[in-house]
Amino acid sequence: NAGVMQNPRHLVRRRGQEARLRCSPMKGHSHVYWYRQLPEEGLKFMVYLQKENIIDESGMPKERFSAEFPKEGPSILRIQQVVRGDSAAYFCASSPTGDNSPLHFGNGTRLTVT
Amino acid sequence: DQQVKQNSPSLSVQEGRISILNCDYTNSMFDYFLWYKKYPAEGPTFLISISSIKDKNEDGRFTVFLNKSAKHLSLHIVPSQPGDSAVYFCAASNNTDKLIFGTGTRLQVFP
Repeated sequence: NAGVMQNPRHLVRRRGQEARLRCSPMKGHSHVYWYRQLPEEGLKFMVYLQKENIIDESGMPKERFSAEFPKEGPSILRIQQVVRGDSAAYFCASSPTGDNSPLHFGNGTRLTVT
Repeated sequence: DQQVKQNSPSLSVQEGRISILNCDYTNSMFDYFLWYKKYPAEGPTFLISISSIKDKNEDGRFTVFLNKSAKHLSLHIVPSQPGDSAVYFCAASNNTDKLIFGTGTRLQVFP
C-alpha cells in the first residue's frame, strides 16, 4: 500500500520559470491538501481539493499559484513566474474522508529558486 | 494570526526520562487535535490525536492531554528514546476544516 507520492523530490527553477509539483494520494483517498513549509517555520495550509473540485483555497497566494486534482492522475500544484520567496518545502497530504481523519503526508518537494 | 502556538522551539531530554511538549491554541471552535513527528527530509507522520470530548488519549509511550478551558494540549513521551529525536508539530482543526499547524518543537533525546 504505497503512501502519498510526491515528485520531484527536489526542483530547481530560475526566477520567472514555472514550477509543477505532483502528488499522488494514497490509494482510496480522494481528499488532497497542499502545505508549504518555509525555512524555520511550521506548515502553512495552502489548498484543499477533492476530485475535480477546489474545496478551500484560502491559503493560496492570489497570484501565480494554482492547483488542480483531475478525475484521472495526480494533483498538481503550479507556480508560475517563480520568485526567490517561493523557495520552500511543499508537502502534499491525503485523507480518505476529509473529516477529522489524520492526514497522511508525502515526503515533500523542495523547491529552490535561483 | 497564529492560531496554534508551540512556544518552545527546542527541548533536550535524557534517554529514559519523560519528554513533555506543549501547545496552545486560540480558536475555541477547534474540536480535533493531533501530534505529528517529522524527521529531516521526510514528511510529517501522524502520532496521536484527541477529540475535544476527551481530556486524555494514550498510545503506548505517547499520551496526549487536552485542557479545553486553558486551550492547551501537551504530548508526553515516556520513556524517551534517542529515536524520538525529531521535530514535533501539534495541529488542530474544526470538524471538516483544514488542519492548522504550530511551528514545531525540536526534541533531542541524548543518551
